[in-house]
Amino acid sequence: GQQVMQIPQYQHVQEGEDFTTYCNSSTTLSNIQWYKQRPGGHPVFLIQLVKSGEVKKQKRLTFQFGEAKKNSSLHITATQTTDVGTYFCAGQSGGSNYKLTFGKGTLLTVNP
Amino acid sequence: GAGVSQSPSNKVTEKGKDVELRCDPISGHTALYWYRQSLGQGLEFLIYFQGNSAPDKSGLPSDRFSAERTGGSVSTLTIQRTQQEDSAVYLCASSLVWGADTQYFGPGTRLTVL
Repeated sequence: GQQVMQIPQYQHVQEGEDFTTYCNSSTTLSNIQWYKQRPGGHPVFLIQLVKSGEVKKQKRLTFQFGEAKKNSSLHITATQTTDVGTYFCAGQSGGSNYKLTFGKGTLLTVNP
Repeated sequence: GAGVSQSPSNKVTEKGKDVELRCDPISGHTALYWYRQSLGQGLEFLIYFQGNSAPDKSGLPSDRFSAERTGGSVSTLTIQRTQQEDSAVYLCASSLVWGADTQYFGPGTRLTVL
């Protein structure tokens, strides 16, 4: 079945440093979504990417979808303590299968 | 409007007992999803509903797990004869339509099986 791999599993940075998490799918995706889960909270939707090679920005966050629609990345510029949490990617293969398959997430901690 | 709500927020039960978890999706959302998240683990898909029907039950861990949805709204996830490995946070999400769409998550039910 479809697998979504996410790296790194953990990332600790100093406040102000940049952060990137990467997501790779075993199959071509129709779209990929990114979620953030704060410690003790539930996942919150950040963004959805649909087009090959798509790049979207939200303030300090930059999301990319690969040309082959099998990989994606989330980059945070100049991290802040409010960025702490686990970032999950989730892919949908489309067709008749609309199941959202989540990566295991990257836990980001930020040292002030 | 209100978000996805789940009840109870916490449930402690003894091994072998049955439990029922409830999810109230966002009003008007036709698709509803159940996930399980164990300590330090990612989200494990369990089942989803389009309306009242469940096209994909492949994620249910065993035949002790079942789910239903009535009236295209409230859903219940039932775990029979609970085992300690069932301990996890059970998350429900809903989306406006079935398919490529944003899922909005509820706060989850933390299940502890003693």
